[in-house]
Amino acid sequence: ESILTQSPGTLSLSPGERATLSCRASQSVSRNYLAWYQQKLGQAPRLLIFGASTRATGIPDRFSGSGSGTDFTLTISRLEPEDFAVYYCQQYGSSRQTFGQGTKVEIK
Amino acid sequence: QVQLLQSGAEVQKPGASLKVSCKASGYTFTSHGISWVRQDPGQGLEWMGWISAYNGNTNYAQKFQGRVTMTTDTATNTAYMEVKTLTFDDTAVYYCARDHPGLPAALDYWGQGTPVTVSS
Repeated sequence: ESILTQSPGTLSLSPGERATLSCRASQSVSRNYLAWYQQKLGQAPRLLIFGASTRATGIPDRFSGSGSGTDFTLTISRLEPEDFAVYYCQQYGSSRQTFGQGTKVEIK
Repeated sequence: QVQLLQSGAEVQKPGASLKVSCKASGYTFTSHGISWVRQDPGQGLEWMGWISAYNGNTNYAQKFQGRVTMTTDTATNTAYMEVKTLTFDDTAVYYCARDHPGLPAALDYWGQGTPVTVSS
């Protein structure tokens, strides 16, 4: 089972700043089948990125994903007030999908 | 529009069983698999398993193998997840989520979540 480790645990930033979130896998992620989700308090997760770098339908272009193999990054170019939330990475390339433990992006 | 509507909150005793439903609408049910994900209070997301709505094939996380059963009813476009022999550690919010087109797939639409409390 591939273990995903996200860093940092918490990111304290101001609106307008750039956010860089990391996701590191214990094994190479097959064909970059890596997704990112956003979850706000009391809500279900929302798919942002799949295939490591493809934005899901309706996701603003300030969200971008990159990386391959074992190291992946989610970048939010300029934080909007609605972007403060918890972000999870997920690998779905193996028969047993796994999630990272999450990164909380909070207002500084 | 795609919607996944889950059954309501539940309170169960230790040792009991739980069955959560997830009714799909707005798309061809048999064209997308369904995963179940749980979230312990204040914690992260945990993938529990997956079922093909096309042929009923399943794939469970090792942790839940033997205690969780996922099924679908194509007549009513509903997916079900049953958890047996509940313990206090099963207190969580349970989500169903639809496969994004293509295999393997990320999860593009989610249910609203079913809060489950296991309490004596």
